[in-house]
Amino acid sequence: DVKVTQSSRYLVKRTGEKVFLECVQDMDHENMFWYRQDPGLGLRLIYFSYDVKMKEKGDIPEGYSVSREKKERFSLILESASTNQTSMYLCASSLYPASNTEAFFGQGTRLTVV
Amino acid sequence: DAKTTQPPSMDCAEGRAANLPCNHSTISGNEYVYWYRQIHSQGPQYIIHGLKNNETNEMASLIITEDRKSSTLILPHATLRDTAVYYCIVKGSTLGRLYFGRGTQLTVWP
Repeated sequence: DVKVTQSSRYLVKRTGEKVFLECVQDMDHENMFWYRQDPGLGLRLIYFSYDVKMKEKGDIPEGYSVSREKKERFSLILESASTNQTSMYLCASSLYPASNTEAFFGQGTRLTVV
Repeated sequence: DAKTTQPPSMDCAEGRAANLPCNHSTISGNEYVYWYRQIHSQGPQYIIHGLKNNETNEMASLIITEDRKSSTLILPHATLRDTAVYYCIVKGSTLGRLYFGRGTQLTVWP
């Protein structure tokens, strides 16, 4: 059974903290993605990676960074958490090339910044 | 990647077929049509995808018109657990990023 696992289901952090969201996939996928989902705005792409140590900015990268040291793991980093980063964060992975293969999503991390 | 248009909401009686339409009039020849759904507070779940032929799997059927400008996702016997937001997405990029629109909120009622 294929899996994308996010390290936490719920997380509460304080403003200014450095926050790490971890995502691990067991399908040997090249592509990995971080999205955030907010009511009324849908899913928006933050960053993606198509290979180890490679990363590309998505539509809303400001305030975030990522790390991909190993193929199976893609980390999202909030350098200094702010309340406007309170959101549902979703990790996904897919094969490369990906036009004819599906993406698999994790269960999501609901982050609250207080 | 081409843009899609879906109705914001639909409902369906349990046990009946749910037919969810999607328009993608600007689709290009190498772009696939994908369907995902998202049950409340969970990650999106892949349902089915196709290029130009109709497709069927254990979850649903996908009917794509001959000109490929629209498609319909069919859930043949909807259950209460099929209540979810359904997203139609057109994807041609080898990098695989997905552009999610607002989707269709499907409500299945008893």
